[in-house]
Amino acid sequence: SYELTQPPSVSVSPGQTASITCSGDKLGNKYACWYQQKPGQSPVLVIYQDNNRPSGIPERFSGSNSGNTATLTIRGTQAVDEADYYCQAWDSSTVVFGGGTKLTVL
Amino acid sequence: QVQLQESGPGLVKPSETLSLTCTVSGGSISSYYWGWIRQSPGKGLECIGYISDSGSTNYNPSLQSRVTISVDTSKNQFSLKLSSVTAADTALYYCSRVLRAGNTGYWFDPWGQGTLVTVSS
Repeated sequence: SYELTQPPSVSVSPGQTASITCSGDKLGNKYACWYQQKPGQSPVLVIYQDNNRPSGIPERFSGSNSGNTATLTIRGTQAVDEADYYCQAWDSSTVVFGGGTKLTVL
Repeated sequence: QVQLQESGPGLVKPSETLSLTCTVSGGSISSYYWGWIRQSPGKGLECIGYISDSGSTNYNPSLQSRVTISVDTSKNQFSLKLSSVTAADTALYYCSRVLRAGNTGYWFDPWGQGTLVTVSS
């Protein structure tokens, strides 16, 4: 079965750029998306189709996907961005989630 | 905008069937796919499956033998049934709309608030 791998945690200083990776076999040949989940809240879609932002998502969120790795980038990271982030892809009619990355802003 | 709300029992006994309903408001259930995702306490996300407005389904292979997802367009609702539950099925269950890019990408937006289901005698 297809698997997506994320680092368990990433730390970033306020105002700096955070990069969260998601690895999977030939992931660049599929569409990747990203969700943000804050404690006690439902996941929120922040990036879809590799690099598209839903309405209401700040411009500081961006995505890329090539080779075996998709990357979520948050420029000018703010304290409010501290959350768990999950990547997701679709393979052979199956939805697959990464294990999640806890982003700490300190 | 579209909003989703899960409903159903919060406690289910082992070996019984978990049944949840998702009510869609602010838009029609037609012309979209709809899905169920769960999150075990302190864990990551797992897609249970999804259904089209016409009733075609796709289930997580690891749960396929126990899962049924159905849709009731007259009520703007879709439902989840998971049979023969065990403690491992204790989780926060979310419903969501599935958006698609043809047959090359699926994603979930928006999500319901989630409902906690505990499996215990």
